[in-house]
Amino acid sequence: GEDVEQSLFLSVREGDSSVINCTYTDSSSTYLYWYKQEPGAGLQLLTYIFSNMDMKQDQRLTVLLNKKDKHLSLRIADTQTGDSAIYFCAESKGNYGQNFVFGPGTRLSVLP
Amino acid sequence: DGGITQSPKYLFRKEGQNVTLSCEQNLNHDAMYWYRQDPGQGLRLIYYSQIVNDFQKGDIAEGYSVSREKKESFPLTVTSAQKNPTAFYLCASRMTSSSQETQYFGPGTRLLVL
Repeated sequence: GEDVEQSLFLSVREGDSSVINCTYTDSSSTYLYWYKQEPGAGLQLLTYIFSNMDMKQDQRLTVLLNKKDKHLSLRIADTQTGDSAIYFCAESKGNYGQNFVFGPGTRLSVLP
Repeated sequence: DGGITQSPKYLFRKEGQNVTLSCEQNLNHDAMYWYRQDPGQGLRLIYYSQIVNDFQKGDIAEGYSVSREKKESFPLTVTSAQKNPTAFYLCASRMTSSSQETQYFGPGTRLLVL
């Protein structure tokens, strides 16, 4: 497909793990990214993974990359109410990775 | 504190009017970006600039213009040719090295048409 795709909604219980999935389009993308957006605010870069890696862990965040299937996932361990937000995946394309293509975002709701 | 600022927070445009959105950063980042966000959608790239005095069109550049006369500033003009300008506009800066990538986003400007 032509678009970066994500499921639009995810609900989890506080303390559970959240897994947000993304499929991207360009197998030559250099970096793949995850961002968090809280209501009415700009984006925050959460983490990124270089395309020659399979996994990256950063505290409660784990990114898994399956290049064969062009599938990216973000796992948030011990999800808290403060994790409620919209999460965007993105790929960087172009000769210098300067052209960013974003998915539509997944709205994560954390239930008490 | 280093950061990236956008002004104004809200902007109203009349028919046929050009308006300019400000984006300033004091992070010493080389690259700067403008994105448009519509409700329920991801960001779409309008323009980007890798260095001073150079900028490139993104996927939806029609009806917009930019300048990059100083490293810290990357203003976006929404021209009257942009027929559907109502959206949330985000500016970002980026620094990459062999081992690290840093990106910061501004708080956004919401543009509304009167």
